[in-house]
Amino acid sequence: SQTIHQWPATLVQPVGSPLSLECTVEGTSNPNLYWYRQAAGRGLQLLFYSVGIGQISSEVPQNLSASRPQDRQFILSSKKLLLSDSGFYLCAWILIGTGITEAFFGQGTRLTVV
Amino acid sequence: AQSVTQLDSHVSVSEGTPVLLRCNYSSSYSPSLFWYVQHPNKGLQLLLKYTSAATLVKGINGFEAEFKKSETSFHLTKPSAHMSDAAEYFCVVRPGYSSASKIIFGSGTRLSIRP
Repeated sequence: SQTIHQWPATLVQPVGSPLSLECTVEGTSNPNLYWYRQAAGRGLQLLFYSVGIGQISSEVPQNLSASRPQDRQFILSSKKLLLSDSGFYLCAWILIGTGITEAFFGQGTRLTVV
Repeated sequence: AQSVTQLDSHVSVSEGTPVLLRCNYSSSYSPSLFWYVQHPNKGLQLLLKYTSAATLVKGINGFEAEFKKSETSFHLTKPSAHMSDAAEYFCVVRPGYSSASKIIFGSGTRLSIRP
């Protein structure tokens, strides 16, 4: 079956510390993967998306980076967190086929930078 | 360029009255359109989707949406609001051409229900 895993669910990190959020999918190959961020009281902002290994598209300049080391793994990182990086981060897998579009979401990670 | 606009950041209705959450999209191709709901401290749940089949789409919990190409709209409606409908609602668009991998969320509409 097709599933998506994202961890951790919650994270409290000090300013200046590194960040690594991981997202993996099962039940598919070569998925389109996405990282979104939802700041408090705001909508979901597309941060990065990837259509294959090593292929990353960045939507907004920021303190974050993404990597796709394996086909079904998508990692969101930062070398030094800022207070403004706090928010709810969501990994998504979009299945696109003939007449089919399905979106699967991870459980989300609530990041608080202190 | 593709985009999606949710016209109201906050909608408040009385319980038992109709709900209308507005969404307009911009896409050069026939898009796929979705509505998702997010309850407080919960993940995203798919309400309904349009993928070039019937223009009137029925979803879960009594919600439905109509795809109107001439108006580039995909408004979400429900005949009678329930207290449990209070949540954040997102309109989402995926452009219809084959190389389109970008999925775009609207800024969200917070729905409040008055007793």
